[in-house]
Amino acid sequence: EADIYQTPRYLVIGTGKKITLECSQTMGHDKMYWYQQDPGMELHLIHYSYGVNSTEKGDLSSESTVSRIRTEHFPLTLESARPSHTSQYLCASSGDRIREAFFGQGTRLTVV
Amino acid sequence: RKEVEQDPGPFNVPEGATVAFNCTYSNSASQSFFWYRQDCRKEPKLLMSVYSSGNEDGRFTAQLNRASQYISLLIRDSKLSDSATYLCVVNPNYGQNFVFGPGTRLSVLP
Repeated sequence: EADIYQTPRYLVIGTGKKITLECSQTMGHDKMYWYQQDPGMELHLIHYSYGVNSTEKGDLSSESTVSRIRTEHFPLTLESARPSHTSQYLCASSGDRIREAFFGQGTRLTVV
Repeated sequence: RKEVEQDPGPFNVPEGATVAFNCTYSNSASQSFFWYRQDCRKEPKLLMSVYSSGNEDGRFTAQLNRASQYISLLIRDSKLSDSATYLCVVNPNYGQNFVFGPGTRLSVLP
């Protein structure tokens, strides 16, 4: 089993609220990723990091921001949530030797 | 053209059937290849890596054809529990990000 954790698993929040989705991994992986996925649709990369203090935007434009102050932690923040942000957010990590990506269980966000 | 393309699906097959999924990728320099499985409303999980020589894991066989930039997944004697979306994933090169295909949904029917 992969040691990558996301909290909360489910979140229902009102429009305009600031939210932070947490992602932590205990595998010492340098690379971490955030994906957004709507039900039945493709995964879209929204942010990635190759190490501490390194963050980049992904292929899909997102109003969220990320930070990477510690190797194991890669939180995603929405300053002002909107109904269009309703989606599933999946965090993943990968290492140098083990090539595949490991996913957390995801956060299902609903903005009302 | 998408970097990774897969059969559009869905595939609806009876239990015990053999089903094959196809995937093509556009970046000829790609280095690593994977099949992931994603159950409804769950996270993707690695099913198997795909090696140049082809590899087998029980009822699952993966093949890679670098010349044609083509990857396949064969599932034999399909079970109800195989019902899921199968994602073809390519890692173009060290230092680049994974590229996920759109997925092919499989429903195994009793």
